[in-house]
Amino acid sequence: AQSVTQPDIHITVSEGASLELRCNYSYGATPYLFWYVQSPGQGLQLLLKYFSGDTLVQGIKGFEAEFKRSQSSFNLRKPSVHWSDAAEYFCAVSSGGSYIPTFGRGTSLIVHP
Amino acid sequence: NAGVTQTPKFRILKIGQSMTLQCTQDMNHNYMYWYRQDPGMGLKLIYYSVGAGITDKGEVPNGYNVSRSTTEDFPLRLELAAPSQTSVYFCASSWTGDEDTQYFGPGTRLTVL
Repeated sequence: AQSVTQPDIHITVSEGASLELRCNYSYGATPYLFWYVQSPGQGLQLLLKYFSGDTLVQGIKGFEAEFKRSQSSFNLRKPSVHWSDAAEYFCAVSSGGSYIPTFGRGTSLIVHP
Repeated sequence: NAGVTQTPKFRILKIGQSMTLQCTQDMNHNYMYWYRQDPGMGLKLIYYSVGAGITDKGEVPNGYNVSRSTTEDFPLRLELAAPSQTSVYFCASSWTGDEDTQYFGPGTRLTVL
């Protein structure tokens, strides 16, 4: 069975600082990997996804993520955080075409001015 | 496109009452899902549907029912509401060919007292 671990419940950064949110997955074959963002009181919005090919994936809002098979990781990064990035971030994994992804528990990002 | 819409946004129920959470999508997506989100627990799949007339249980289906009579609508029925059903409920959809990428509604916050 597939699973996702987001080891950090909360992350606090200063505005303008760089950001890395961790995601580790467990899945036997090549996974489909996703990062979603949830702003307060809103639904989840897709930031980026990896299916195959280039292991560095660019997403919306200046985010990127890197798939590292050897580490079973798909960490989300942003070089300079804005106050509007404060939100909950979810990593998800699925097998290709399974149409039922497994979500991590989420990481809450707090941005200090 | 309005995307995925959910009504109501908020609701307070008394123990034992029933209600239906509405979900509609206008993207002609075949796949639809219901999740519940509890603090620190990520998303738990309640029910899903791969097309009109076809539904199946997810991880936490007890106390809920669904139907899918049209492609657009996927209502979630709560019978005999219990305090354990206090949660935020999200509807999502995806389309054939990119089944694993989900589009979420804004959510319904339900409190059972």
